[in-house]
Amino acid sequence: NAGVTQTPKFQVLKTGQSMTLQCAQDMNHEYMSWYRQDPGMGLRLIHYSVGAGITDQGEVPNGYNVSRSTTEDFPLRLLSAAPSQTSVYFCASSRTEVNEKLFFGSGTQLSVL
Amino acid sequence: GQQVMQIPQYQHVQEGEDFTTYCNSSTTLSNIQWYKQRPGGHPVFLIQLVKSGEVKKQKRLTFQFGEAKKNSSLHITATQTTDVGTYFCAVYYGQNFVFGPGTRLSVLP
Repeated sequence: NAGVTQTPKFQVLKTGQSMTLQCAQDMNHEYMSWYRQDPGMGLRLIHYSVGAGITDQGEVPNGYNVSRSTTEDFPLRLLSAAPSQTSVYFCASSRTEVNEKLFFGSGTQLSVL
Repeated sequence: GQQVMQIPQYQHVQEGEDFTTYCNSSTTLSNIQWYKQRPGGHPVFLIQLVKSGEVKKQKRLTFQFGEAKKNSSLHITATQTTDVGTYFCAVYYGQNFVFGPGTRLSVLP
């Protein structure tokens, strides 16, 4: 099994550009989420989904959109990139949202110039 | 919302020394998880604690859940260079996991 796959691994954007970070899992997990990691701030939740067709906002949702049309995929869209969105982004999944361990993807290093 | 604190923020130890990181919550927790992130890597699940006063061991790592279920600790005995990384605690709140800011461990050979 591949687990949680994120693409791309690295991305450089100009301010105002849009892009989509891809996340796919092959474990039939119901719960998927996106975190951003900034130095000294740990992992902050952007958006999450408890199943196909269901999404909700996390702690820092502004500037990001998500959708969950299938159980496997949970893309994160940056609508108009800003330098404040320079960060490392991690996608994570778990079997359910309750008392289950999270499996993380390898991350996307995003720089917005 | 749920706040999770971790101390220390950084710890530098000589190889062979012990290391402890602490995780504290403002509210009573249903469970707590610990993750390790190697430099340049992604967080990897280590363990979950559920019961009050629970102690679990994984080789040189000892995890403890406080009696009041508001705090937890991770203790590493005789650190090795392979222990280098950032250790996060995570608590389940609402429908999500809230992560502490992490403790970054450096091990000098």
